[in-house]
Amino acid sequence: EDQVTQSPEALRLQEGESSSLNCSYTVSGLRGLFWYRQDPGKGPEFLFTLYSAGEEKEKERLKATLTKKESFLHITAPKPEDSATYLCAVPPGWAGGTSYGKLTFGQGTILTVHP
Amino acid sequence: KAGVTQTPRYLIKTRGQQVTLSCSPISGHRSVSWYQQTPGQGLQFLFEYFSETQRNKGNFPGRFSGRQFSNSRSEMNVSTLELGDSALYLCASTDGTDYTEAFFGQGTRLTVV
Repeated sequence: EDQVTQSPEALRLQEGESSSLNCSYTVSGLRGLFWYRQDPGKGPEFLFTLYSAGEEKEKERLKATLTKKESFLHITAPKPEDSATYLCAVPPGWAGGTSYGKLTFGQGTILTVHP
Repeated sequence: KAGVTQTPRYLIKTRGQQVTLSCSPISGHRSVSWYQQTPGQGLQFLFEYFSETQRNKGNFPGRFSGRQFSNSRSEMNVSTLELGDSALYLCASTDGTDYTEAFFGQGTRLTVV
């Protein structure tokens, strides 16, 4: 069974203090990894898709990277508006057949950035 | 370009009742997936519809059902509501291609009392 584990569960940063969030996955034949941001009471907002080890994607202060076992979301010089829950998710691997909408999500990292 | 629209945003129902939630996907998207989000279990996949057909299903009891219309709008129904069904119900829209990014709506907050 596919598993996604995110760490830490919660992270408090001062504005400008860079850090990284971790997403470890157990999937037989990874076919993609997605990062989302979720604000309280709202739906997840898509951030990045990573398909192969070594791939990197950037958007403003965020950079996502992927290895064969985990993904990192690096946050550079965060601002209070970056405070949110960050989720990663994977579709079924090659051994799991077609994906058709199914994603396995991690429990998320709650990021709080203090001014 | 309009995003994914879910209605209603909030619902309060009594145990034993049934409820219907609605989701309109991004224009041009033909796939709609439904998820349940709770503090204890996180986001869990319910089912996916494409061209009015259910293509995939998660591990939820038969009380949870759905359908999709010819305009790609989807509805999810939960019958005989239980207290444990209280959750944020999210729908996600894709173009139907496998392993492509999904775009979520704002969700419907269901409270069962």
